[in-house]
Amino acid sequence: DVKVTQSSRYLVKRTGEKVFLECVQDMDHENMFWYRQDPGLGLRLIYFSYDVKMKEKGDIPEGYSVSREKKERFSLILESASTNQTSMYLCASNPPRQGAGNEQFFGPGTRLTVL
Amino acid sequence: AQSVTQPDIHITVSEGASLELRCNYSYGATPYLFWYVQSPGQGLQLLLKYFSGDTLVQGIKGFEAEFKRSQSSFNLRKPSVHWSDAAEYFCAVGARGNTPLVFGKGTRLSVIA
Repeated sequence: DVKVTQSSRYLVKRTGEKVFLECVQDMDHENMFWYRQDPGLGLRLIYFSYDVKMKEKGDIPEGYSVSREKKERFSLILESASTNQTSMYLCASNPPRQGAGNEQFFGPGTRLTVL
Repeated sequence: AQSVTQPDIHITVSEGASLELRCNYSYGATPYLFWYVQSPGQGLQLLLKYFSGDTLVQGIKGFEAEFKRSQSSFNLRKPSVHWSDAAEYFCAVGARGNTPLVFGKGTRLSVIA
C-alpha cells in the first residue's frame, strides 16, 4: 500500500515563527503536492514538485516556500507564520508513470493553528 | 485549464435512502475524473476513478459514478446510505499530461436516522 505520512497531525505556532511541515512518501513517486483546505474553499494547491530540487507554484504560493532535497520528502515552509495561515494542510503524491493528472495519494493532514 | 463545480455544499439524507452527489467539470478533452471522501479530521481517500472505457464505474464502499460527456458530469451515487457515509466528498478532474488535479469545493454529507 502507498503510504504518505505527515510529521504532525496537530501543530500550534506563534505569529512570526518559521514553520516546517514535512511529508514523506514510501513509493518512489516523483510528483508531490501541498494543499491547504479551508471550509467552503475546498483544496487549494500551494506548491508541487515533479522531481528532486524541482518546484512549481500552485494557485496560492504567497507566504509559503518548499524544499525537495530527496525524492521521498517534500517540505512546506512558512517563513513567518501569520494567523491567516491557520488551516488544514494536506500532502499528496503521484506515481511517476501516470503523470500528475492522475490519482493522487494523500497523507492524513496537519491541522496548523497560528496564534 | 480544467475546473470542477460541486453545486451542493451540504446534503442531508436519511439512513437507507439513496444518494446522488453532483459534479460538473470543464475541460476541452476527455478528462480523468475522481471522487474522494474525507472523514472528519482525516486525509482524502479515493472512492473511484474514471480514465476511459465503461462510463459507469464502481468504487469502494458501494459507491458508483457515471461519466456523461454530453452533460460534462460525473455524479456519485449510492443506493442505500449508511450512517458511516457521513463525510465530505470531493470531485476532482485531471488533464492528460503532467498537471495537478483540480478539486471541487466539496459536498458535506450528513446522515440522519
